[in-house]
Amino acid sequence: DAGITQSPRHKVTETGTPVTLRCHQTENHRYMYWYRQDPGHGLRLIHYSYGVKDTDKGEVSDGYSVSRSKTEDFLLTLESATSSQTSVYFCAISEGQGRGGQPEAFFGQGTRLTVV
Amino acid sequence: AQTVTQSQPEMSVQEAETVTLSCTYDTSENNYYLFWYKQPPSRQMILVIRQEAYKQQNATENRFSVNFQKAAKSFSLKISDSQLGDTAMYFCAFMKHEVDVTEYGNKLVFGAGTILRVKS
Repeated sequence: DAGITQSPRHKVTETGTPVTLRCHQTENHRYMYWYRQDPGHGLRLIHYSYGVKDTDKGEVSDGYSVSRSKTEDFLLTLESATSSQTSVYFCAISEGQGRGGQPEAFFGQGTRLTVV
Repeated sequence: AQTVTQSQPEMSVQEAETVTLSCTYDTSENNYYLFWYKQPPSRQMILVIRQEAYKQQNATENRFSVNFQKAAKSFSLKISDSQLGDTAMYFCAFMKHEVDVTEYGNKLVFGAGTILRVKS
């Protein structure tokens, strides 16, 4: 299994509080991604990173920010959590096709976040 | 933008029988990849099978096979000899084919998923 660790695995927080989810990889892959999973929507891309300090928005980025100060860590922050951000969050990593990598992504175990 | 549609929210099948999950997609790209992921109750995302759009031959992995119809933009998953362990959510997903090192690749677009229940 790819070395991807998400923390925490479960979190309950109150509306309006800041929340940070962490993704840590030991594979030295260039690309890292944050997805959210919701019933009826599958997984949707929030933000992704293509290198240290290089990030970009995905499909559902409003209300989220990310940071990547090291190759191995990708943080997702909810500045002021809302009930609509209750979801399961997945981190994924890949090497990228253009650099000789395979067209595939490896996923962490997910974080269930509940905003009450 | 690409979209992926799974029109079957839930399906059930008897153990040892065959079941087919449907997926359609929309894209203007000519080269791309299609995937089926399995998500059991453990929540882990497991790659089941991958199809390269420029390959006409349908991919197979043991009991799992696909029917890829590029012109129709259809990508169905057939599970033969269904087992209780196949009970899971199944996601169809799309990925562009990217060869330029300046492209920021391997972003996946997912369908809404199909819950498959295998009954004994």
